[in-house]
Amino acid sequence: SQELEQSPQSLIVQEGKNLTINCTSSKTLYGLYWYKQKYGEGLIFLMMLQKGGEEKSHEKITAKLDEKKQQSSLHITASQPSHAGIYLCGADTGRRALTFGSGTRLQVQP
Amino acid sequence: DARVTQTPRHKVTEMGQEVTMRCQPILGHNTVFWYRQTMMQGLELLAYFRNRAPLDDSGMPKDRFSAEMPDATLATLKIQPSEPRDSAVYFCASGLVLERMGNIQYFGAGTRLSVL
Repeated sequence: SQELEQSPQSLIVQEGKNLTINCTSSKTLYGLYWYKQKYGEGLIFLMMLQKGGEEKSHEKITAKLDEKKQQSSLHITASQPSHAGIYLCGADTGRRALTFGSGTRLQVQP
Repeated sequence: DARVTQTPRHKVTEMGQEVTMRCQPILGHNTVFWYRQTMMQGLELLAYFRNRAPLDDSGMPKDRFSAEMPDATLATLKIQPSEPRDSAVYFCASGLVLERMGNIQYFGAGTRLSVL
């Protein structure tokens, strides 16, 4: 079974709508990292969460960590076409390297 | 603007040929990672180095892959001989990883490898 499950696998939303992406780990989390990838490019770091209950925001993107549930969510408010891409969560489960989820492909329709 | 630099960006080769991919990590970072991304398997860790010493290469096929850090400014990933199943995008990432601190990794743009 996968160490890190992301849902949904893909998402199509209308511009201006809110959306949430989830990431669940089967192992204890020592850190949870969110990245964004555009086609043909590398991963761009978005946010790092280390403590249970931690919540961080950058522009219209908010990420939360529920340590007990070993789960994180990424919420985008008032989505824009520039938010389109693949969102990946990465987990540090004590190995000091990251294990990544399979990604969520987001399309934002104007 | 500090960034991880990977070369080449694209590589097309024939089965059996040697392939070398290079990575220049961000100056001051102590850890370098190599990942491979495919549609089927997603992003997989191949190997990583801390202060130029290999820490984990369990994700790498040992018979044909090798990873080295000849100096702090260069990491290499070699495949010899290459096979069609090696076709993928190979990413290098670097980070400053310290005890009880975060593990933020900064990725290069990747090398897209096609083995015919």
